[in-house]
Amino acid sequence: SAVISQKPSRDICQRGTSLTIQCQVDSQVTMMFWYRQQPGQSLTLIATANQGSEATYESGFVIDKFPISRPNLTFSTLTVSNMSPEDSSIYLCSVLGGRATTGELFFGEGSRLTVL
Amino acid sequence: DAKTTQPTSMDCAEGRAANLPCNHSTISGNEYVYWYRQIHSQGPQYIIHGLKNNETNEMASLIITEDRKSSTLILPHATLRDTAVYYCIVRVAYFGNEKLTFGTGTRLTIIP
Repeated sequence: SAVISQKPSRDICQRGTSLTIQCQVDSQVTMMFWYRQQPGQSLTLIATANQGSEATYESGFVIDKFPISRPNLTFSTLTVSNMSPEDSSIYLCSVLGGRATTGELFFGEGSRLTVL
Repeated sequence: DAKTTQPTSMDCAEGRAANLPCNHSTISGNEYVYWYRQIHSQGPQYIIHGLKNNETNEMASLIITEDRKSSTLILPHATLRDTAVYYCIVRVAYFGNEKLTFGTGTRLTIIP
């Protein structure tokens, strides 16, 4: 298993500002994933972050809006840039445990973002 | 990855077995079935997964039909803490496709 810590756990931000969310894992992992969960909705994958390479973004998400850093095997950040109220969501970091082909994902508790 | 269909919501009496169905009629031979749950205000939690055989762990049992077109997650003795949204996900398991695509899930409410 993996223990994932996210900071901040929640924040209230003003429109037009940016917020960086941190994800710290208690073990080295190759792949980290960032998900978004809008109010009352299911989870949507934003991007996959591998150490030493650029993040791979899913359709509908772009690097300029959601830049990601992955400086080492235990840490990643997601920035939500130029925020608008539509960005109000829970942002979740997850990592793969076990074997790459059949392992399960472990999730952090999420960062609840409210944009005014 | 194959699409799944789950009921939107279900109720179950506390102490009874909760049986959550999932339809995945287009599943291919190399796709695994995963179950996750999300308790309110928490990150999703892995429950169990399987390929073709039934699986059991300390949390639940997973029953996959012989044709693999559907499966059932069984929580043997449901408690109030099992109230959550349960997600059934199918995924081709190969290196480079480790991501999971979440559907809308089943909102399970355990009734005292």
